[in-house]
Amino acid sequence: AQSVSQHNHHVILSEAASLELGCNYSYGGTVNLFWYVQYPGQHLQLLLKYFSGDPLVKGIKGFEAEFIKSKFSFNLRKPSVQWSDTAEYFCAVAGSQGNLIFGKGTKLSVKP
Amino acid sequence: DVKVTQSSRYLVKRTGEKVFLECVQDMDHENMFWYRQDPGLGLRLIYFSYDVKMKEKGDIPEGYSVSREKKERFSLILESASTNQTSMYLCASSPTGAYNQPQHFGDGTRLSIL
Repeated sequence: AQSVSQHNHHVILSEAASLELGCNYSYGGTVNLFWYVQYPGQHLQLLLKYFSGDPLVKGIKGFEAEFIKSKFSFNLRKPSVQWSDTAEYFCAVAGSQGNLIFGKGTKLSVKP
Repeated sequence: DVKVTQSSRYLVKRTGEKVFLECVQDMDHENMFWYRQDPGLGLRLIYFSYDVKMKEKGDIPEGYSVSREKKERFSLILESASTNQTSMYLCASSPTGAYNQPQHFGDGTRLSIL
């Protein structure tokens, strides 16, 4: 069965620091990968997605992620975080039935 | 813009009650999903549906059932609520053939079972 691992449960950064959140998936075939964000009190929103092509994917709000097939990884990055990036971040892979398989999430706290 | 509406943001029920959580989407999506979200566990799939009157079990279906009588509406039913079903419940929808289409989520229902 497919699975997704997010390495960090809680990350605390100061504003302007660089961010990298780890995500590894288990499936070895063709994968469709997503990063979602959940701001406090809000619904889950799509940050970016990867289906094929350029392994470096750019999303909203300055986020990007790199698909590295040999490492089964899809890490999320942002060069300089802001206080407004405080949220919970979820990595997900599309399952074989159109469902999504989520990681356990990483909470990001950005100190002003 | 896709709108997924969950009928309640907060709900408090008692052990043993039958609980209904309602979800409506306005984009004519074929696929609809129910997840529960718990701290440290992420989102876990309870049930999903590809079409009216169709349903599939997810990873944690025990204690739950679903109903999809109309395309836009997907209901989650807790047959006899228990305290371990206290959680945040999220509904989502996506178009058909959606291996590469993102799901759109509602705001969630925070359910407390006393």
